[in-house]
This record gives sequence, C-alpha cells and structure tokens, in this order.
Amino acid sequence: DQQVKQNSPSLSVQEGRISILNCDYTNSMFDYFLWYKKYPAEGPTFLISISSIKDKNEDGRFTVFLNKSAKHLSLHIVPSQPGDSAVYFCAASEDSGYALNFGKGTSLLVTP
Amino acid sequence: DTAVSQTPKYLVTQMGNDKSIKCEQNLGHDTMYWYKQDSKKFLKIMFSYNNKELIINETVPNRFSPKSPDKAHLNLHINSLELGDSAVYFCASSQLAGPTEAFFGQGTRLTVV
Repeated sequence: DQQVKQNSPSLSVQEGRISILNCDYTNSMFDYFLWYKKYPAEGPTFLISISSIKDKNEDGRFTVFLNKSAKHLSLHIVPSQPGDSAVYFCAASEDSGYALNFGKGTSLLVTP
Repeated sequence: DTAVSQTPKYLVTQMGNDKSIKCEQNLGHDTMYWYKQDSKKFLKIMFSYNNKELIINETVPNRFSPKSPDKAHLNLHINSLELGDSAVYFCASSQLAGPTEAFFGQGTRLTVV
C-alpha cells in the first residue's frame, strides 16, 4: 500500500517560472516530511523538510508547504533553473519510525 | 570525499548466485539503512541498523541478510539471487534513528540474468 503519492510523474516548466510539485499522503501518523532530489545514476540528496507543527518552511529558492487537514504538501521552486531538472521524491515518516516512506517521484524538466 | 559510498555501482550476475553489496559512511552517523528501488521506481525501506543493531526488517525474503561489522558499515548479502531481485539498491545513513534526513549513497544497480 502506497502511503505517499506523487500523482504527477513529470512536469515541464520554463526557466525563471515557478515549479510546483505536489505530494499527498494517507497515513495520519506521519509528522515529518522531506523532499529529495535525484539526478540519474546518483542517490537521492536531501533538499528540504518540514515537521507537522509548521505549515511552511523556506530555504532559498525552495519552499515546502504542508496542509495537514488535506494531507497534502507541495514544493515550490522559484525561480526555476535548468539545473533543477531532476526527479523529486516526497518522503514522510512517523515520529516513532525510523524509515522514510517515499512517493514515486516527479521528473521536473526546466527548459531555457 | 564521499559521505555514503556503495560498491559496486553496477552488478550483473546469474540466477542462483550469491552476491554482496558494501556500504560505508564517513559521517559518524549511528543509523544506516538499505532501500530498494524497483522497476516501478518505488523506493522502499528494507533494513535499518542503529549502532550495529537491527531495528527495522521489512518483509524482505530471508535470502537478504544485512551485516553491520561496525556502525560505519552496513553490507547487504543476497543468497540464491532471483530475477525479481533486479533493482537499484540504495544505502543511506542518518544521525539519529527517527524523523530526520538521511544521506544516500549513489546506488547499486543489480541485474540478475
């Protein structure tokens, strides 16, 4: 059973515009959420996280929004750059859990 | 200076063979993990070790046996390889067991023929 869902397998955005990647989850026990970025033939690299006590966390061009009532989070990248082209994985974990539950990923392409 | 390193990066082997994937982290982390990314691109936890002790063992066939000689290493040994074991295996580590970001290795692409 897939507890973290990324329903958009791909997204194409023009350079300079905003990229919005979405993620939904089903487990109400999740209270820590992360976004990972992955380039081909490399492991995922941590990008940004948010705990359930917040609804927004910002780090430079990257902002993650959490809507607990909707069990939804999103990653905003502003402005998007060609180097942002990668697969983005949403992940979640429970406070007492040790493992991350990942979505299937969204492939972002930022075109010049 | 790679933080989490796995070897080999690629592994092609025949059904029925036994193989190992090695993982080392130089971050001083207490917790290490093995994840599997299957053909559908799902990244799923397989095992987690905290200070050399097994703390998570998901429903993985017992042909898969993790071994942690010390807290900087978590190797994955697979016996009697099957076609369905073909996947990319990622090692990861984190500072704490619990909700925190994990650092991943580059992955090992295992192909069983």
